[in-house]
Amino acid sequence: GENVEQHPSTLSVQEGDSAVIKCTYSDSASNYFPWYKQELGKRPQLIIDIRSNVGEKKDQRIAVTLNKTAKHFSLHITETQPEDSAVYFCAASFNTNAGKSTFGDGTTLTVKP
Amino acid sequence: GAVVSQHPSWVICKSGTSVKIECRSLDFQATTMFWYRQFPKQSLMLMATSNEGSKATYEQGVEKDKFLINHASLTLSTLTVTSAHPEDSSFYICSVIVPPGNTEAFFGQGTRLTVV
Repeated sequence: GENVEQHPSTLSVQEGDSAVIKCTYSDSASNYFPWYKQELGKRPQLIIDIRSNVGEKKDQRIAVTLNKTAKHFSLHITETQPEDSAVYFCAASFNTNAGKSTFGDGTTLTVKP
Repeated sequence: GAVVSQHPSWVICKSGTSVKIECRSLDFQATTMFWYRQFPKQSLMLMATSNEGSKATYEQGVEKDKFLINHASLTLSTLTVTSAHPEDSSFYICSVIVPPGNTEAFFGQGTRLTVV
């Protein structure tokens, strides 16, 4: 089955700096890669996603890059703000079975004011 | 998007009792729902796929007799933790995907189960 590894497990940055979280996956058949933000005790919420036919996607301060050959994808957050502090999960799935996503272990991001 | 409601948000039960958690899709009919379990500071682990009108599909290592899943209607799936033990204490969360894209997962707010 699919295996997703996520690094780092914790990340602390100063407000205004950039944050980068990286994930690798093992199943070359995976073609949908979402990123979720989860605040303490709350549900995960999708913040950005990318499909395998695209190398990069950007939404305001958030961007995701995908390298299919190397089987890794990254989340980039620029101009970080304290409200970006949360746990971020990457995931991988085959899009017709996206409910069965395999999640990374999560990254706890702390943005210091 | 999809609105997914989970009930209860938290529950405390005694060891040996059973607890039922509901997952409702409020604004569309979900033929498939997914149940995840999340330990503190850990990732979401898929437990089972709930299929409306048929048996759930359980992931390897998940005891189907302990975690009973019923998907009796297109808007409701239930997870019953039977004969709960303290090690079953966890955050249980359901999700649905919206056709036709079947990609983005929409999560319920989760249920914090504590077994004492």
